[in-house]
Amino acid sequence: GNSVTQMEGPVTLSEEAFLTINCTYTATGYPSLFWYVQYPGEGLQLLLKATKADDKGSNKGFEATYRKETTSFHLEKGSVQVSDSAVYFCALSDRRGSNYKLTFGKGTLLTVNP
Amino acid sequence: DSGVTQTPKHLITATGQRVTLRCSPRSGDLSVYWYQQSLDQGLQFLIQYYNGEERAKGNILERFSAQQFPDLHSELNLSSLELGDSALYFCASSPTAPPYEQYFGPGTRLTVT
Repeated sequence: GNSVTQMEGPVTLSEEAFLTINCTYTATGYPSLFWYVQYPGEGLQLLLKATKADDKGSNKGFEATYRKETTSFHLEKGSVQVSDSAVYFCALSDRRGSNYKLTFGKGTLLTVNP
Repeated sequence: DSGVTQTPKHLITATGQRVTLRCSPRSGDLSVYWYQQSLDQGLQFLIQYYNGEERAKGNILERFSAQQFPDLHSELNLSSLELGDSALYFCASSPTAPPYEQYFGPGTRLTVT
């Protein structure tokens, strides 16, 4: 079955530091890949997405590139802010068949200190 | 604002009781998904409906059931509640075209005492 593995947190950084959160996946077929962010007390928000190999998703300074050869979709940001403190989830959606449910990683808690 | 609405925001009830959580998807989305999020289990997929029909089941207990109505809103029914059912319950909806990204509601926090 499909699975997503992301680096365990928590991750603690100082403001303006570089962020990488690793995500690798196992899937049959050709999945679409997503990063979601959950701020304290809120629901999940779609942060970015990529639908095929070598696609780069980007939003709010975050980027992730769909790497089929390494089955990875690592999240990066060049300079984090205190407001980026949240839980980040990597997820995949298998486009084959009629079951379109997302498979999520366990989430990575990011804390950014001023 | 994702466009997905959920009510109520908070729910406190006693063991053995039954509750109903409600979700309205984004305009135009036919698929609705339910998830449970707890500290120990993480984010768990419960069930998916598409245009009124059950499409996929995940780790949903037999005490739980859901339905999607003709106006596409969905309800998740939780019965014979146990302390361990305390969690955040999220609803999400997705468009009918790839990549089927899901848009989440703000969630219902259920506390069973």
